[in-house]
Amino acid sequence: TQLLEQSPQFLSIQEGENLTVYCNSSSVFSSLQWYRQEPGEGPVLLVTVVTGGEVKKLKRLTFQFGDARKDSSLHITAAQPGDTGLYLCAGEGLTGGGNKLTFGTGTQLKVEL
Amino acid sequence: SQTIHQWPATLVQPVGSPLSLECTVEGTSNPNLYWYRQAAGRGLQLLFYSVGIGQISSEVPQNLSASRPQDRQFILSSKKLLLSDSGFYLCAWSVLGTGANVLTFGAGSRLTVL
Repeated sequence: TQLLEQSPQFLSIQEGENLTVYCNSSSVFSSLQWYRQEPGEGPVLLVTVVTGGEVKKLKRLTFQFGDARKDSSLHITAAQPGDTGLYLCAGEGLTGGGNKLTFGTGTQLKVEL
Repeated sequence: SQTIHQWPATLVQPVGSPLSLECTVEGTSNPNLYWYRQAAGRGLQLLFYSVGIGQISSEVPQNLSASRPQDRQFILSSKKLLLSDSGFYLCAWSVLGTGANVLTFGAGSRLTVL
Protein backbone atom coordinates (compact mmCIF):
# COMPACT_ATOMS: atom_id res chain seq x y z
CA THR A 1 0.00 0.00 0.00
CA GLN A 2 1.35 3.39 -0.99
CA LEU A 3 1.14 6.00 1.77
CA LEU A 4 1.65 9.74 1.54
CA GLU A 5 2.32 11.64 4.76
CA GLN A 6 1.88 15.39 4.80
CA SER A 7 3.36 17.78 7.33
CA PRO A 8 2.40 19.83 9.09
CA GLN A 9 -1.16 18.65 9.62
CA PHE A 10 -2.28 22.13 10.72
CA LEU A 11 -0.75 25.52 10.05
CA SER A 12 -2.00 28.90 11.24
CA ILE A 13 -0.04 31.93 10.09
CA GLN A 14 -0.35 35.68 9.62
CA GLU A 15 -0.82 37.34 6.27
CA GLY A 16 2.50 37.99 4.56
CA GLU A 17 4.36 35.04 6.07
CA ASN A 18 5.94 32.26 4.05
CA LEU A 19 5.26 28.57 4.55
CA THR A 20 6.19 25.15 3.24
CA VAL A 21 4.09 22.00 3.19
CA TYR A 22 5.74 18.62 2.75
CA CYS A 23 4.48 15.41 1.19
CA ASN A 24 6.57 12.30 1.79
CA SER A 25 6.40 8.64 0.85
CA SER A 26 8.60 5.58 0.65
CA SER A 27 7.04 4.78 -2.73
CA VAL A 28 7.99 6.13 -6.12
CA PHE A 29 5.30 7.89 -8.12
CA SER A 30 4.97 8.55 -11.83
CA SER A 31 3.37 11.90 -11.08
CA LEU A 32 2.51 14.01 -8.07
CA GLN A 33 -0.44 16.36 -7.91
CA TRP A 34 -1.45 19.10 -5.48
CA TYR A 35 -5.05 20.01 -4.81
CA ARG A 36 -6.69 22.68 -2.66
CA GLN A 37 -10.06 22.16 -1.05
CA GLU A 38 -12.36 24.68 0.56
CA PRO A 39 -15.02 23.70 3.14
CA GLY A 40 -18.01 21.93 1.66
CA GLU A 41 -16.46 21.64 -1.79
CA GLY A 42 -14.45 19.13 -3.76
CA PRO A 43 -10.66 19.44 -4.19
CA VAL A 44 -9.42 21.50 -7.12
CA LEU A 45 -6.19 20.72 -8.94
CA LEU A 46 -3.38 23.25 -8.50
CA VAL A 47 -0.50 21.57 -10.31
CA THR A 48 0.93 18.29 -11.61
CA VAL A 49 4.65 17.44 -11.54
CA VAL A 50 5.97 14.44 -13.42
CA THR A 51 9.77 14.71 -13.62
CA GLY A 52 12.14 14.11 -10.71
CA GLY A 53 13.55 17.45 -9.54
CA GLU A 54 10.88 19.41 -11.41
CA VAL A 55 9.93 22.83 -10.06
CA LYS A 56 6.73 24.60 -11.06
CA LYS A 57 5.57 28.05 -10.07
CA LEU A 58 2.00 29.25 -9.90
CA LYS A 59 2.08 32.92 -8.88
CA ARG A 60 3.13 32.85 -5.19
CA LEU A 61 3.08 29.04 -5.04
CA THR A 62 6.17 26.95 -5.83
CA PHE A 63 5.93 23.19 -6.19
CA GLN A 64 8.85 20.80 -6.26
CA PHE A 65 9.03 17.08 -7.03
CA GLY A 66 11.84 15.22 -5.33
CA ASP A 67 14.69 13.83 -7.42
CA ALA A 68 13.67 10.28 -6.55
CA ARG A 69 9.98 11.04 -7.15
CA LYS A 70 9.07 9.97 -3.62
CA ASP A 71 8.33 13.37 -2.13
CA SER A 72 7.15 16.86 -2.94
CA SER A 73 6.87 20.27 -1.35
CA LEU A 74 4.62 23.27 -1.72
CA HIS A 75 6.00 26.68 -0.77
CA ILE A 76 3.76 29.72 -0.49
CA THR A 77 5.33 33.17 -0.44
CA ALA A 78 3.59 36.09 1.28
CA ALA A 79 0.49 34.10 2.21
CA GLN A 80 -2.90 35.75 1.89
CA PRO A 81 -6.25 34.93 3.54
CA GLY A 82 -7.42 33.59 0.18
CA ASP A 83 -4.81 30.82 0.50
CA THR A 84 -6.75 29.35 3.42
CA GLY A 85 -7.88 25.80 2.77
CA LEU A 86 -6.99 22.12 2.91
CA TYR A 87 -3.98 21.22 0.76
CA LEU A 88 -3.76 17.67 -0.50
CA CYS A 89 -0.99 15.95 -2.39
CA ALA A 90 -1.77 12.89 -4.48
CA GLY A 91 0.56 10.39 -6.08
CA GLU A 92 -0.04 8.30 -9.17
CA GLY A 93 1.52 4.84 -8.93
CA LEU A 94 4.22 3.66 -11.31
CA THR A 95 3.02 0.12 -11.77
CA GLY A 96 0.08 -1.82 -10.48
CA GLY A 97 -1.62 1.38 -9.40
CA GLY A 98 -3.81 1.38 -12.43
CA ASN A 99 -5.84 4.52 -12.71
CA LYS A 100 -5.81 5.30 -9.02
CA LEU A 101 -4.32 8.15 -7.04
CA THR A 102 -3.13 7.86 -3.46
CA PHE A 103 -3.97 10.98 -1.49
CA GLY A 104 -1.92 12.45 1.31
CA THR A 105 -3.16 13.02 4.84
CA GLY A 106 -3.83 16.73 4.21
CA THR A 107 -2.55 20.05 5.55
CA GLN A 108 -5.10 22.51 6.89
CA LEU A 109 -3.83 26.06 6.32
CA LYS A 110 -5.35 29.16 7.91
CA VAL A 111 -4.05 32.59 6.99
CA GLU A 112 -5.21 35.40 9.26
CA LEU A 113 -5.16 39.14 8.75
CA SER B 1 -16.84 21.85 -21.34
CA GLN B 2 -17.02 19.02 -18.87
CA THR B 3 -19.11 19.21 -15.72
CA ILE B 4 -19.77 16.82 -12.87
CA HIS B 5 -22.94 16.77 -10.81
CA GLN B 6 -23.33 15.09 -7.48
CA TRP B 7 -26.47 14.81 -5.36
CA PRO B 8 -27.87 15.11 -2.84
CA ALA B 9 -25.53 17.68 -1.32
CA THR B 10 -26.63 16.88 2.22
CA LEU B 11 -28.32 13.83 3.62
CA VAL B 12 -29.37 12.81 7.13
CA GLN B 13 -30.38 9.17 7.45
CA PRO B 14 -31.23 6.83 10.35
CA VAL B 15 -29.12 3.77 11.04
CA GLY B 16 -30.34 0.80 9.03
CA SER B 17 -31.88 2.85 6.22
CA PRO B 18 -30.76 2.54 2.58
CA LEU B 19 -28.53 5.00 0.74
CA SER B 20 -28.21 6.17 -2.83
CA LEU B 21 -25.78 8.90 -3.90
CA GLU B 22 -25.66 9.75 -7.56
CA CYS B 23 -22.98 11.26 -9.75
CA THR B 24 -23.20 12.20 -13.42
CA VAL B 25 -20.61 13.63 -15.79
CA GLU B 26 -21.32 15.73 -18.86
CA GLY B 27 -19.16 16.67 -21.80
CA THR B 28 -16.90 13.63 -21.96
CA SER B 29 -17.08 9.98 -23.01
CA ASN B 30 -15.85 6.83 -21.31
CA PRO B 31 -14.46 8.57 -18.24
CA ASN B 32 -12.89 6.79 -15.30
CA LEU B 33 -15.17 7.37 -12.33
CA TYR B 34 -14.31 7.32 -8.62
CA TRP B 35 -15.99 7.45 -5.22
CA TYR B 36 -13.94 8.78 -2.31
CA ARG B 37 -14.78 9.30 1.34
CA GLN B 38 -13.18 12.05 3.40
CA ALA B 39 -13.01 12.45 7.18
CA ALA B 40 -13.17 16.04 8.42
CA GLY B 41 -10.07 17.99 7.40
CA ARG B 42 -8.23 14.89 6.26
CA GLY B 43 -7.19 13.09 3.12
CA LEU B 44 -9.34 11.08 0.75
CA GLN B 45 -9.93 7.34 0.93
CA LEU B 46 -10.71 5.64 -2.37
CA LEU B 47 -13.83 3.48 -2.09
CA PHE B 48 -14.60 2.43 -5.67
CA TYR B 49 -13.45 3.15 -9.18
CA SER B 50 -14.79 2.23 -12.58
CA VAL B 51 -13.16 2.19 -16.01
CA GLY B 52 -16.37 1.37 -17.90
CA ILE B 53 -20.05 0.46 -17.74
CA GLY B 54 -20.65 -2.34 -15.28
CA GLN B 55 -16.97 -2.47 -14.27
CA ILE B 56 -16.48 -1.72 -10.59
CA SER B 57 -13.38 -2.16 -8.47
CA SER B 58 -13.69 -2.01 -4.70
CA GLU B 59 -10.78 -0.74 -2.67
CA VAL B 60 -11.99 -1.20 0.89
CA PRO B 61 -14.30 -3.89 2.30
CA GLN B 62 -17.30 -2.11 3.68
CA ASN B 63 -21.01 -1.65 3.93
CA LEU B 64 -21.21 0.17 0.61
CA SER B 65 -21.52 -0.80 -3.05
CA ALA B 66 -21.22 1.04 -6.34
CA SER B 67 -22.79 0.66 -9.75
CA ARG B 68 -22.28 2.20 -13.17
CA PRO B 69 -25.45 1.65 -15.17
CA GLN B 70 -24.52 4.18 -17.87
CA ASP B 71 -21.25 5.52 -19.23
CA ARG B 72 -21.44 8.79 -17.32
CA GLN B 73 -23.41 7.74 -14.25
CA PHE B 74 -21.92 6.40 -11.03
CA ILE B 75 -24.03 5.44 -8.01
CA LEU B 76 -22.97 4.75 -4.43
CA SER B 77 -25.38 2.63 -2.42
CA SER B 78 -25.98 0.87 0.84
CA LYS B 79 -28.77 -1.45 1.91
CA LYS B 80 -28.41 -0.66 5.61
CA LEU B 81 -26.43 2.33 6.83
CA LEU B 82 -24.13 2.20 9.85
CA LEU B 83 -23.10 5.09 12.08
CA SER B 84 -19.57 4.71 10.71
CA ASP B 85 -20.82 5.47 7.19
CA SER B 86 -21.16 9.14 8.11
CA GLY B 87 -18.78 11.35 6.15
CA PHE B 88 -18.17 13.51 3.11
CA TYR B 89 -18.43 11.55 -0.12
CA LEU B 90 -16.78 12.81 -3.28
CA CYS B 91 -17.27 11.66 -6.84
CA ALA B 92 -14.55 12.32 -9.39
CA TRP B 93 -13.80 11.65 -13.05
CA SER B 94 -10.75 11.50 -15.23
CA VAL B 95 -9.84 10.59 -18.77
CA LEU B 96 -6.62 8.73 -19.26
CA GLY B 97 -4.35 10.02 -21.97
CA THR B 98 -0.62 10.22 -22.35
CA GLY B 99 -0.20 12.48 -19.33
CA ALA B 100 -0.91 12.18 -15.63
CA ASN B 101 -4.25 10.91 -14.35
CA VAL B 102 -5.82 14.17 -13.14
CA LEU B 103 -9.11 14.06 -11.23
CA THR B 104 -11.99 16.52 -11.40
CA PHE B 105 -14.22 16.37 -8.34
CA GLY B 106 -17.87 17.03 -7.71
CA ALA B 107 -18.99 19.29 -4.89
CA GLY B 108 -19.49 16.37 -2.52
CA SER B 109 -22.33 14.84 -0.52
CA ARG B 110 -22.33 15.12 3.26
CA LEU B 111 -23.94 12.10 4.88
CA THR B 112 -24.90 12.02 8.54
CA VAL B 113 -26.15 8.75 9.95
CA LEU B 114 -28.03 9.06 13.24
